[in-house]
Amino acid sequence: DARVTQTPRHKVTEMGQEVTMRCQPILGHNTVFWYRQTMMQGLELLAYFRNRAPLDDSGMPKDRFSAEMPDATLATLKIQPSEPRDSAVYFCASGPTSYNEQFFGPGTRLTVL
Amino acid sequence: RKEVEQDPGPFNVPEGATVAFNCTYSNSASQSFFWYRQDCRKEPKLLMSVYSSGNEDGRFTAQLNRASQYISLLIRDSKLSDSATYLCVVNGQNFVFGPGTRLSVLP
Repeated sequence: DARVTQTPRHKVTEMGQEVTMRCQPILGHNTVFWYRQTMMQGLELLAYFRNRAPLDDSGMPKDRFSAEMPDATLATLKIQPSEPRDSAVYFCASGPTSYNEQFFGPGTRLTVL
Repeated sequence: RKEVEQDPGPFNVPEGATVAFNCTYSNSASQSFFWYRQDCRKEPKLLMSVYSSGNEDGRFTAQLNRASQYISLLIRDSKLSDSATYLCVVNGQNFVFGPGTRLSVLP
């Protein structure tokens, strides 16, 4: 049963610290997405990769966030330095193409104190 | 106007009821459409894709009206386990998720 995996599942950190979240997309999927979800904003698209190339990261605060795909089996989202307003659930999703459905990982619940 | 809008809800219905959710989208060039459900503190999960001719999966029926830029989801004979938030998703240049409609099915 192929699924998207994310680590860590929970992260509590202090303001100013670096946070790295990792995602393993479903093997064979060529699109990878990072989302952030809060009660107030709902699901927001942060970044989108196709064939490991970043296509859209307009939803991501560039001064502190960065997203990469060092290889086809790993996507990373980094926040440096983290701030309390970054507290949210961060989801990674992958899909077989740009038009097909996406499959979500279980999310990383981030709390920045 | 937001790209994808949904009924604000929440919908509280008794078991066995039929409930319908509506969704409108602003990008007329959108090409694919989906309904996801999200349980509390869980990830969104695909419920069904929405095809131009409409499609049905058991108790769930999805309809698409491109002229009106409108998508619907009908749930018949609702179960307690249907309680969740239902997200409309529209894919134009990017996937855009609606804010979701919360459903509570009551015993």
